[in-house]
Amino acid sequence: EDQVTQSPEALRLQEGESSSLNCSYTVSGLRGLFWYRQDPGKGPEFLFTLYSAGEEKEKERLKATLTKKESFLHITAPKPEDSATYLCAVRNAGGTSYGKLTFGQGTILTVHP
Amino acid sequence: EAGVTQFPSHSVIEKGQTVTLRCDPISGHDNLYWYRRVMGKEIKFLLHFVKESKQDESGMPNNRFLAERTGGTYSTLKVQPAELEDSGVYFCASSQGGRLATNEKLFFGSGTQLSVL
Repeated sequence: EDQVTQSPEALRLQEGESSSLNCSYTVSGLRGLFWYRQDPGKGPEFLFTLYSAGEEKEKERLKATLTKKESFLHITAPKPEDSATYLCAVRNAGGTSYGKLTFGQGTILTVHP
Repeated sequence: EAGVTQFPSHSVIEKGQTVTLRCDPISGHDNLYWYRRVMGKEIKFLLHFVKESKQDESGMPNNRFLAERTGGTYSTLKVQPAELEDSGVYFCASSQGGRLATNEKLFFGSGTQLSVL
């Protein structure tokens, strides 16, 4: 069974204090690793897809990286508006459903001004 | 462009009652998914429609849950009869067909918070 574990559960940063979120995964065959952002009362919002070890994707202050066992979401000089829950998810290569994802529980990020 | 719309945003019902959740995907999106998050747990896949056909319903918990997508547009998820453990947030997501990248990029609605008392 596919499994995704995210750490830490919660992270509090000062504005400008860079850090990283971790996503460890176990999947029989990785077809894609996904990062989503979720704001309170909203649904998850797509950020990145990574497909193979060594791949990196960037968007503004966020950079996602992937190894064979885990992914990191690096946040550089965060701002209060980066506060959200960050979700990691994987898709198994054995499935036929492109959007059938296994999610982790998420990391709640709070950035203080 | 309108996003994925879910109705109602909140529903409070008693155990044994019936509830129907509705999802309107982004116009033109062939793929429609239902997910749910129960308290303290991660978001879990329920099922996937491609147009009006069920592609994968392996995540449906039991036969009290019935999903339909008539005409390949909006979808409904009916819970009958509802049990206490059905409480949670039910999310709908859609994606465009065609290329892999568009198939995999899910757009989520804001969810329906279901409380079964």
